[in-house]
Amino acid sequence: VTLLEQNPRWRLVPRGQAVNLRCILKNSQYPWMSWYQQDLQKQLQWLFTLRSPGDKEVKSLPGADYLATRVTDTELRLQVANMSQGRTLYCTCSAGNWGTYEQYFGPGTRLTVL
Amino acid sequence: GDSVTQTEGQVALSEEDFLTIHCNYSASGYPALFWYVQYPGEGPQFLFRASRDKEKGSSRGFEATYNKEATSFHLQKASVQESDSAVYYCALSDRRPNYNVLYFGSGTKLTVEP
Repeated sequence: VTLLEQNPRWRLVPRGQAVNLRCILKNSQYPWMSWYQQDLQKQLQWLFTLRSPGDKEVKSLPGADYLATRVTDTELRLQVANMSQGRTLYCTCSAGNWGTYEQYFGPGTRLTVL
Repeated sequence: GDSVTQTEGQVALSEEDFLTIHCNYSASGYPALFWYVQYPGEGPQFLFRASRDKEKGSSRGFEATYNKEATSFHLQKASVQESDSAVYYCALSDRRPNYNVLYFGSGTKLTVEP
């Protein structure tokens, strides 16, 4: 059973252009939603956890700037800007936080810099 | 800060060989420990977890035991198959209110030859 949908699945991003990603939760029993990035060396790194509609956070990391928004109980968005190196963005969902609950990953959005 | 170290970057085995992937962690609190597996073109998949000292997690023939004294959570499988070829990630989750953070190791690429 698919818990998360991500779109687009891949995107070519001209240098200097921002891109908007969406993640849709298919099962409301897993309301804790997060974003992770995976770099070209396959290292996974947590970016954000947004629990409630209206939550919004920004972060700047080497190679990209991020703006994450929890739009509704079932929709998470991520804007990626100033990207200088390709990466894959994953959203996750979980029934709770901390170790009692595992996180489930979406299929990912692969971004390539033109 | 919290961190996870996986010793092996790549492991090459033949079918029916015994597998060990070493995972050690550093955390200020009492973390939960996880193993995830990632197949090409897919998001990481939860394999299993352990939340307390001496607890064994297992799934699909893989297992690991939480060792608080040694700060380790080594992955083992008695007899690997070609279909086990994938990247394996060890991860930890510490208690952080309002967040749901997994800290990942750098991953171990397992290749199993028939």
